[in-house]
Amino acid sequence: ETGVTQTPRHLVMGMTNKKSLKCEQHLGHNAMYWYKQSAKKPLELMFVYSLEERVENNSVPSRFSPECPNSSHLFLHLHTLQPEDSALYLCASSQEGGTGNTIYFGEGSWLTVV
Amino acid sequence: GNSVTQMEGPVTLSEEAFLTINCTYTATGYPSLFWYVQYPGEGLQLLLKATKADDKGSNKGFEATYRKETTSFHLEKGSVQVSDSAVYFCALSDQQGGSEKLVFGKGTKLTVNP
Repeated sequence: ETGVTQTPRHLVMGMTNKKSLKCEQHLGHNAMYWYKQSAKKPLELMFVYSLEERVENNSVPSRFSPECPNSSHLFLHLHTLQPEDSALYLCASSQEGGTGNTIYFGEGSWLTVV
Repeated sequence: GNSVTQMEGPVTLSEEAFLTINCTYTATGYPSLFWYVQYPGEGLQLLLKATKADDKGSNKGFEATYRKETTSFHLEKGSVQVSDSAVYFCALSDQQGGSEKLVFGKGTKLTVNP
């Protein structure tokens, strides 16, 4: 069993649809993240949750809505997306405290907006 | 702000060749430094890390040394294999407000031919 699991692995949605990406971590960590990876751009941090509280929101459009119901689960709710939102969305987790803590990634959810 | 610059790819090598992927960083303070690897169709995996100056991270034959004087963390491997074909990301930790965040370079795609 991998430490961070994401579902679905692939998602195709229309611009008027509402869908959600799910992430679950089995590592006992207390921080979770959403990153976006698109072609020809560096990995972009979208949201950070620490102890289930959102501590970072990097100017992400409101059509992306995160939810962290507990320290093991993280969702990314999607609505009225644009084709340019097509990308690989990576969930990650870490244990906060100290320095240089390793961030562990899931395998990602490939999103295509048509 | 903090940033990471890594050499542009793609890099194509023959099996058993020597690999160097350059990475330099700009940061306030003393970040931890990481190399992540992304195999085709997968998420990011931690390859190695170093948390302070002069530390050497190593894993699977890869090495990188944290050089504060040159603000560099170059990735090296003495003899690459076909299975090393992947995208390699250099990253630094940016800890603000207690939350650990990674700042990534753009990635370098490595192809190793038999």
